[in-house]
Amino acid sequence: EAQVTQNPRYLITVTGKKLTVTCSQNMNHEYMSWYRQDPGLGLRQIYYSMNVEVTDKGDVPEGYKVSRKEKRNFPLILESPSPNQTSLYFCASSPWDRVDGYTFGSGTRLTVV
Amino acid sequence: GDSVTQMEGPVTLSEEAFLTINCTYTATGYPSLFWYVQYPGEGLQLLLKATKADDKGSNKGFEATYRKETTSFHLEKGSVQVSDSAVYFCALSQGGSEKLVFGKGMKLTVNP
Repeated sequence: EAQVTQNPRYLITVTGKKLTVTCSQNMNHEYMSWYRQDPGLGLRQIYYSMNVEVTDKGDVPEGYKVSRKEKRNFPLILESPSPNQTSLYFCASSPWDRVDGYTFGSGTRLTVV
Repeated sequence: GDSVTQMEGPVTLSEEAFLTINCTYTATGYPSLFWYVQYPGEGLQLLLKATKADDKGSNKGFEATYRKETTSFHLEKGSVQVSDSAVYFCALSQGGSEKLVFGKGMKLTVNP
């Protein structure tokens, strides 16, 4: 089954403790992206990657890092999480041209206390 | 920059009611337009899309027509079901752009 897999689904952590949210896709997509979803703000792009070793900032990159060492994986790293990063996070992937939209993962609910 | 404005709700309807969710966009060029649906506890799923003016996207009884003259892509369904309860997002993508631009989403609840 074609899918984007995120882990974990739920995570509660403390301020300052480094964490990684994994994202993997099995569709051989070139393009991958991370979004966060917050009430009243909709979805905002954090980072995206056009292909292996090619990443760039989205609209709200502060406090996040990403890497793209393999085509299928695009982890999101929070080096020192803060409470304002409490949010619902989605990974998405697409073929390079993105004309048919994205395939989204099921989401990761992160709470930073 | 590009933007999407949609009804935010929340909206509550009775089963078999008619649904319209308005969506308008601002974009240079000729974007592709999408409706995504997010069921409770799940990720976003593509509901339908249209890639050029006057195209009609349709799926699961939902329809939306790409209207370039009014820069709109309103979502409609003639008779909603309880299972349609979800959050609906309108979005656009420009050729060569690095992201989908989303509206803020509209929560729909359908009661029996």
